[in-house]
Amino acid sequence: KNEVEQSPQNLTAQEGEFITINCSYSVGISALHWLQQHPGGGIVSLFMLSSGKKKHGRLIATINIQEKHSSLHITASHPRDSAVYICAVFSNEKLTFGTGTRLTIIP
Amino acid sequence: DAGVTQSPTHLIKTRGQHVTLRCSPISGHKSVSWYQQVLGQGPQFIFQYYEKEERGRGNFPDRFSARQFPNYSSELNVNALLLGDSALYLCASSLYYGYTFGSGTRLTVV
Repeated sequence: KNEVEQSPQNLTAQEGEFITINCSYSVGISALHWLQQHPGGGIVSLFMLSSGKKKHGRLIATINIQEKHSSLHITASHPRDSAVYICAVFSNEKLTFGTGTRLTIIP
Repeated sequence: DAGVTQSPTHLIKTRGQHVTLRCSPISGHKSVSWYQQVLGQGPQFIFQYYEKEERGRGNFPDRFSARQFPNYSSELNVNALLLGDSALYLCASSLYYGYTFGSGTRLTVV
């Protein structure tokens, strides 16, 4: 079993829909990252969380340390949000990544 | 301020050859880590360096090695390349728990 599990693996939605991507982890962590990867490979860090909730524009990330669970929400989704979203946890001095959620927003 | 820069961006090598990938961290970041991302999967941790010392190593064979220089830039070396080494190699520099990633080097082994 992977230390970091994401769901769903693939998600297709209509423009404007509210999107939720989930991440569960099985190890003790110091921080959790949500990352965005576009075709071509470059990774952009969206959020780093150790507790609570963070918001940036239309993106919201939450974490529940007791339940070892985090969610990434996108409000009013747009085709430009189409990308792979990756959850990564910092534990034992290294980052461990989930396999990613491929999000496609249809106009 | 420049982000994390990696070179080259793309590379094609033949099985058995050796490759060197380079990474320059964000100014002020003393930690550099390397990741391998095979198509369709999440990145896998290869190495972490801090202040020129190896601080962590993932489950990769000894064909993979790295080093960090006094200016905190880093090299990843892979010897005796295999077809399975074809992947996107990502470098990240970090300060505490915050990470900034480079755009990666796409290595194709033929």
